[in-house]
Amino acid sequence: DADVTQTPRNRITKTGKRIMLECSQTKGHDRMYWYRQDPGLGLRLIYYSFDVKDINKGEISDGYSVSRQAQAKFSLSLESAIPNQTALYFCATSDYGGGALTDTQYFGPGTRLTVL
Amino acid sequence: KQEVTQIPAALSVPEGENLVLNCSFTDSAIYNLQWFRQDPGKGLTSLLLIQSSQREQTSGRLNASLDKSSGRSTLYIAASQPGDSATYLCAAGTYKYIFGTGTRLKVLA
Repeated sequence: DADVTQTPRNRITKTGKRIMLECSQTKGHDRMYWYRQDPGLGLRLIYYSFDVKDINKGEISDGYSVSRQAQAKFSLSLESAIPNQTALYFCATSDYGGGALTDTQYFGPGTRLTVL
Repeated sequence: KQEVTQIPAALSVPEGENLVLNCSFTDSAIYNLQWFRQDPGKGLTSLLLIQSSQREQTSGRLNASLDKSSGRSTLYIAASQPGDSATYLCAAGTYKYIFGTGTRLKVLA
């Protein structure tokens, strides 16, 4: 089984709809991240969380919100989806802390979101 | 603000060639530099991570170097194979990473 899973893998929705993307991990990592990837723009950080009670905005958080339900679960919501939120969304975890200080990032398979 | 640049954007080489991918960053106050591989429509796979106190890391045919003073990292791929075809991304960071836009590599059989 994959260490970092994302659901759904693909989603098509309409403008104005509320969407939730879910991420679960079995790696036991405290740190989790949400990125979006757009052609030609690379990956950009939306939100990150260092533990259940520590959630921070990334460089492009407007229009998004997150919830860290448990150490293993980190959800991303689009309250009212718009077409320019069409992108590939990735969840990641990192191994920083607990004696492992490399901060290697491990990615999920991605969710392809299309907003019509 | 950290900016990460990767050159070239695309590269096509014959099988067996040794090649170098470049990554430059503007803020040298980083803890780590990480190289990733991304296959089409897939997630990112970590290849190598270099901590700021290190100069290089090696894994199999891959070697990554880091020169913080010049703001550069290189990924060296020895004896390239068609299976190496993918997009390679670098990311520089402290507690969060800034990604480059990647180098799309095609190795021709």
